Amino acid sequence: RKEVEQDPGPFNVPEGATVAFNCTYSNSASQSFFWYRQDCRKEPKLLMSVYSSGNEDGRFTAQLNRASQYISLLIRDSKLSDSATYLCVVRTSGGSYIPTFGRGTSLIVHP
Amino acid sequence: DAMVIQNPRYQVTQFGKPVTLSCSQTLNHNVMYWYQQKSSQAPKLLFHYYDKDFNNEADTPDNFQSRRPNTSFCFLDIRSPGLGDAAMYLCATSRAGGLPEQFFGPGTRLTVL
Repeated sequence: RKEVEQDPGPFNVPEGATVAFNCTYSNSASQSFFWYRQDCRKEPKLLMSVYSSGNEDGRFTAQLNRASQYISLLIRDSKLSDSATYLCVVRTSGGSYIPTFGRGTSLIVHP
Repeated sequence: DAMVIQNPRYQVTQFGKPVTLSCSQTLNHNVMYWYQQKSSQAPKLLFHYYDKDFNNEADTPDNFQSRRPNTSFCFLDIRSPGLGDAAMYLCATSRAGGLPEQFFGPGTRLTVL
């Protein structure tokens, strides 16, 4: 079983739709969680850190479910500019600086 | 603005001809990383530095070497590039403590002819 698993997609959604991605992790000692966005042929950029209580940033909501060992990203009112690959990143302990990346979920928002 | 800079952005080399990719950062972060990313794949960690301490991933080929002469700079040397080494090479930095998000440079796209 891979340490961090994501459905690669692609998820094809119309503008204005709500879409959700999940990411599962295998190591129960994982403590830090992030969502990164990566545009085609560009570098990953931090979208959101994921806090235990869940957090929201505009149209984006991230949640953590420790019992089931997954994190989620919800995007409301999808825009064309949201088209990208969304990478899930997990660190195994609070002091660890070695992250584990998922392979990413591709989102395509169409008119 | 504080940032991570990579040079060159595009590198073309011949099979077996050594290349050096560079990364610099103005964030004063302790940790620097080198990743290899191929199309539709997750970034693959090659090695990282915690200050001057070098940490090699077990499956990183010997063909890949790295140097970190000071806090700001880090280099990736590919001694004898093969066709399979064509990829995007990403440099990233992070603080060592707190909520250690990573900051990525724009990457160097390597083509091997």
